[in-house]
Amino acid sequence: QQPVQSPQAVILREGEDAVINCSSSKALYSVHWYRQKHGEAPVFLMILLKGGEQKGHEKISASFNEKKQQSSLYLTASQLSYSGTYFCGSLFLNAGNMLTFGGGTRLMVKP
Amino acid sequence: EAQVTQNPRYLITVTGKKLTVTCSQNMNHEYMSWYRQDPGLGLRQIYYSMNVEVTDKGDVPEGYKVSRKEKRNFPLILESPSPNQTSLYFCASRGTVTYETQYFGPGTRLLVL
Repeated sequence: QQPVQSPQAVILREGEDAVINCSSSKALYSVHWYRQKHGEAPVFLMILLKGGEQKGHEKISASFNEKKQQSSLYLTASQLSYSGTYFCGSLFLNAGNMLTFGGGTRLMVKP
Repeated sequence: EAQVTQNPRYLITVTGKKLTVTCSQNMNHEYMSWYRQDPGLGLRQIYYSMNVEVTDKGDVPEGYKVSRKEKRNFPLILESPSPNQTSLYFCASRGTVTYETQYFGPGTRLLVL
């Protein structure tokens, strides 16, 4: 039931791009992306809704393929501050209208 | 300022000593939840609540209790903590608006000896 994220870890140099994927075996109502720094609370980045509507961070883009039940987060021209663990969260009805999260993708950006 | 607060932020305790982690939100949200986070396992839902007096189990409820007597508060209770409950705990809340995401508390790091 938990969304599956890939890759599990990525190492980049500053300025490089990365794509993080999130897929689900169950129908997705919406996908929420978060970034978490070590030991801190997850910080909201973006939400994607069925029908293509997006709300969130201006410098980060994402896509939502409803047919494939997949979402991808695109990080372009990465900066050191992008380092952290990225989580996708999905809304399923049997979780009390709260998000069910994937296992996370650890991103490290090096100078 | 919209926020979710948790207390305490750090807690060291011993096996079997009952403890409560408090959670409070000031956004009048209906939905609240507790997650635990362990290395490599992401965020796993412990319990959730859809409104006052309405709670249900998440994916990893064993060893935990919750209550929702007021809309703003959702305490997590460990009646008899064990070392495998050592973890980082997050409380979260969410409203009913479709495109609204959920808000997390700052986290409580628990060590059970």
